[in-house]
Amino acid sequence: KAGVTQTPRYLIKTRGQQVTLSCSPISGHRSVSWYQQTPGQGLQFLFEYFSETQRNKGNFPGRFSGRQFSNSRSEMNVSTLELGDSALYLCASSLAPNLNTEAFFGQGTRLTVV
Amino acid sequence: DQQVKQNSPSLSVQEGRISILNCDYTNSMFDYFLWYKKYPAEGPTFLISISSIKDKNEDGRFTVFLNKSAKHLSLHIVPSQPGDSAVYFCAASSNYGGATNKLIFGTGTLLAVQP
Repeated sequence: KAGVTQTPRYLIKTRGQQVTLSCSPISGHRSVSWYQQTPGQGLQFLFEYFSETQRNKGNFPGRFSGRQFSNSRSEMNVSTLELGDSALYLCASSLAPNLNTEAFFGQGTRLTVV
Repeated sequence: DQQVKQNSPSLSVQEGRISILNCDYTNSMFDYFLWYKKYPAEGPTFLISISSIKDKNEDGRFTVFLNKSAKHLSLHIVPSQPGDSAVYFCAASSNYGGATNKLIFGTGTLLAVQP
């Protein structure tokens, strides 16, 4: 069974640009969550999607947005990029929002804003 | 406000000895706790979890202990192996507002197991 696939793996953008990151969850998984990892901050929750609906959103500005498609694939978008947006963006997939289910992570997209 | 804290940024242990990684939390609504291991350039890998109705869960060399009154959990690895060297993240979730997969992570502890 294929794992969580994130594309692209690496990305370099300049300030002010926008970026779209993609995540394909494990086959059969319908819940997708996004996290930002920066040095010293650990993993910060961005959003959670299930059945094309956003169920939860973290404390990030409106420049960060996401969506989920009918095949459970998800994208996140960051507009007007800032230097501080440089981070590893991780996607996690789960069967469904449920008690006691673990999330499986992709390898992440390393975004560098210059 | 850091709701999940891992106060030790790093830990060094000899091969064969016990590794104890600690985690504290502040939100009493957390009811499910997980540990993840992360190697550089890879995503976190699930290790072990514990529900708030238990105080201990074992899986092979890994045991997680939960002390709800102290809002503290720990991960014990016995015996430690060089391949265990990685960053370990503690995470917590709360289902009181509805079922969710939202995880709150600590900042991680870098474990180095010396041969």
